[in-house]
Amino acid sequence: EAGVAQSPRYKIIEKRQSVAFWCNPISGHATLYWYQQILGQGPKLLIQFQNNGVVDDSQLPKDRFSAERLKGVDSTLKIQPAKLEDSAVYLCASSSGGGYTFGSGTRLTVV
Amino acid sequence: AQSVAQPEDQVNVAEGNPLTVKCTYSVSGNPYLFWYVQYPNRGLQFLLKYITGDNLVKGSYGFEAEFNKSQTSFHLKKPSALVSDSALYFCAVRGRNSGNTPLVFGKGTRLSVIA
Repeated sequence: EAGVAQSPRYKIIEKRQSVAFWCNPISGHATLYWYQQILGQGPKLLIQFQNNGVVDDSQLPKDRFSAERLKGVDSTLKIQPAKLEDSAVYLCASSSGGGYTFGSGTRLTVV
Repeated sequence: AQSVAQPEDQVNVAEGNPLTVKCTYSVSGNPYLFWYVQYPNRGLQFLLKYITGDNLVKGSYGFEAEFNKSQTSFHLKKPSALVSDSALYFCAVRGRNSGNTPLVFGKGTRLSVIA
């Protein structure tokens, strides 16, 4: 079974620029999550999708972050404009039947 | 609200010695508990999980964890540490309600195995 695919692996941008991350979950997994992992901390949930609907986005900074999962498969997470404190690893995960699979993440550096 | 505490930022152990990485949790009702490992520039890799049944759970790479309901703990253990076990370890919890609810993670413990 293919894993959760994420791209790009690394991204360096200047503050106030925009950036987008892409995630392709495991085939058939209806639930998709985006987590933010700041250096030295555990992953923190940003948003959860069930198919193409948002289940929980209570911790998503909606003034600058947005996410979509238009066809219930792939998802994109966007930051606009980026701040220095957005430097982190952004992890995508999908789940089915109580099992969770994580992608390798996108490491974002905002300078 | 669900939460996980990993009280140690760093654990150092000599190769061949037993290792323990501690985790305590707080959740309403019975928990699902997980351990993940993260190597540099890699995503989270699943080690093991407790759902129900035997309190001692065996997982990948010789790791095991013991669920203790009275102490709300789920410590990760390995009888004999390897240098290759050096990595960042995360404990995670979710409540046993319906659906695919998100995992809540601890802050992680860095394990260093010294040859």
